[in-house]
Amino acid sequence: GNSVTQMEGPVTLSEEAFLTINCTYTATGYPSLFWYVQYPGEGLQLLLKATKADDKGSNKGFEATYRKETTSFHLEKGSVQVSDSAVYFCALSLLNAGGTSYGKLTFGQGTILTVHP
Amino acid sequence: DTAVSQTPKYLVTQMGNDKSIKCEQNLGHDTMYWYKQDSKKFLKIMFSYNNKELIINETVPNRFSPKSPDKAHLNLHINSLELGDSAVYFCASSQEFGSLSGTQYFGPGTRLLVL
Repeated sequence: GNSVTQMEGPVTLSEEAFLTINCTYTATGYPSLFWYVQYPGEGLQLLLKATKADDKGSNKGFEATYRKETTSFHLEKGSVQVSDSAVYFCALSLLNAGGTSYGKLTFGQGTILTVHP
Repeated sequence: DTAVSQTPKYLVTQMGNDKSIKCEQNLGHDTMYWYKQDSKKFLKIMFSYNNKELIINETVPNRFSPKSPDKAHLNLHINSLELGDSAVYFCASSQEFGSLSGTQYFGPGTRLLVL
């Protein structure tokens, strides 16, 4: 089946440090890939997405590139801030056999990021 | 102005009780979802509705019954609550039914604790 694996957390960084959160996927076709972020006490919100190989998604200084050859979609940010402290979820969406995905998202296990001043 | 709203925000109840969680979206979306997030933050889809029709049912126990009175609402009723039902339940919606790239908009979550 389809699955998403993220690097184990929690991740603790100092402000202005470089961030990488690894994400790899297993899928039987060519999925769309997403990063969602969950701030404390809130629901998830889309951070960025990529729908085909070599696409780069970016938002709020975060970037991720869809790498088909390594089945990866690693999240990066050059300089994190305290306000980036949150849980980050990698996810995929894939067409089912009938040709529609119904928007079903398969999530990784989430990575907790804490940024200290 | 809240796009996806859920009530209640917190729910504490006894084992064996029946409870409901309500979800409303004012985005005009056709598709709505229920997700369960466990204590380890793992998030898994439970149900999906499109235009009031059930599309996805991810082997959820039949104690859980979603109901969609109209396409702006998707409620979740849970019968005979068990300790293992304690979790955060998120409602979400999206416009692009059947699209791979559709963004989902999540509600703030309902924190259910079964004692």
